[in-house]
Amino acid sequence: DAGVIQSPRHEVTEMGQEVTLRCKPISGHDYLFWYRQTMMRGLELLIYFNNNVPIDDSGMPEDRFSAKMPNASFSTLKIQPSEPRDSAVYFCASSLKDWYTGANVLTFGAGSRLTVL
Amino acid sequence: KQEVTQIPAALSVPEGENLVLNCSFTDSAIYNLQWFRQDPGKGLTSLLLIQSSQREQTSGRLNASLDKSSGRSTLYIAASQPGDSATYLCAVESNQFYFGTGTSLTVIP
Repeated sequence: DAGVIQSPRHEVTEMGQEVTLRCKPISGHDYLFWYRQTMMRGLELLIYFNNNVPIDDSGMPEDRFSAKMPNASFSTLKIQPSEPRDSAVYFCASSLKDWYTGANVLTFGAGSRLTVL
Repeated sequence: KQEVTQIPAALSVPEGENLVLNCSFTDSAIYNLQWFRQDPGKGLTSLLLIQSSQREQTSGRLNASLDKSSGRSTLYIAASQPGDSATYLCAVESNQFYFGTGTSLTVIP
């Protein structure tokens, strides 16, 4: 498996523009997570999905952020309009829960580094 | 809400030393605990996962322990090498994954 694939790897945009980040989880994984990482706040959970359904979006900063998972192999995180304070590395991660053992190994993508000028 | 703390925030050791990284969490009702490594500008790579029923896991020079009752985990790295330099994060899974802020490790040749 190619792992969790994110695109773009780097995005530089101007304040007010729409930004769309994309994620392809590992095939067969039933959980998908979007995280944001900054020096100031570390790794923050934004939203996660189970079987394509959003379960907890309480970490989404505000209405400018939205996330979708139209099918099991694709998810997007959209920021509209973007602001300089949104500059961060955005990670997508997926996992498959082993219901027998309870183990749930989280696998991260390489991240999308967003800079909003 | 689960809170995860990692101490120290940064650690510098000479090559060859054994070292211990600490992780503590406030709610002992967890499914498992996972240790990750993050290199600068890169994503997180899973190192070890300890299920709630386990006490430790080993992979090569790494050994992770878990004491749920006291809310603690340690990551032991034996015979450290410069290539071990990275940030190490622990994450506990309860209703979701909660991450610590990490320990930045530098191994000096």
